[in-house]
Amino acid sequence: GAGVSQSPRYKVAKRGQDVALRCDPISGHVSLFWYQQALGQGPEFLTYFQNEAQLDKSGLPSDRFFAERPEGSVSTLKIQRTQQEDSAVYLCASTLPPVGNTIYFGEGSWLTVV
Amino acid sequence: RKEVEQDPGPFNVPEGATVAFNCTYSNSASQSFFWYRQDCRKEPKLLMSVYSSGNEDGRFTAQLNRASQYISLLIRDSKLSDSATYLCAVLSNDMRFGAGTRLTVKP
Repeated sequence: GAGVSQSPRYKVAKRGQDVALRCDPISGHVSLFWYQQALGQGPEFLTYFQNEAQLDKSGLPSDRFFAERPEGSVSTLKIQRTQQEDSAVYLCASTLPPVGNTIYFGEGSWLTVV
Repeated sequence: RKEVEQDPGPFNVPEGATVAFNCTYSNSASQSFFWYRQDCRKEPKLLMSVYSSGNEDGRFTAQLNRASQYISLLIRDSKLSDSATYLCAVLSNDMRFGAGTRLTVKP
């Protein structure tokens, strides 16, 4: 596609429910990032893939968060047993290597946990 | 301490004013630096890259001071349409963002 595509755009989950957020990066983009952005805050780094390899997952806040990119293109961020503090926008971004090139963001998946 | 820290803001300025944002970073091995603009309920979009020699794009000037681990963004002749949150971003092993500085330009 022309840009980074994320789905769902909006998700309301009941506390304790599992959610899966999908990111379809720009075609050919090797590097893929996930960020969490709470209201009034900047994007907080969660994890980074280069192709299918997850090179850094240091930002994942707990073992309830899991990300994968099995074929080096589409990525899924999974949150198990959601908590209210997980409510945020989850932004996916992609770039061609080298990573110093511009990264392009998707519109985000807005998660509200009730 | 966060890897990237910005002026907390908010900045409320009249049209035509000059406004400057600052950002500091903690990783001296950081390689590349950027300013992003984020409108309300939208994704961040690249405003400009920041080069060691400083660079200008119209009313916007970005500067980098590697010795002090500091980047800045200057906006001259502010327009109403400049109202947004400005995020600095620093590339080390991956891309890290500051918390953002909110700018409101008023008539």
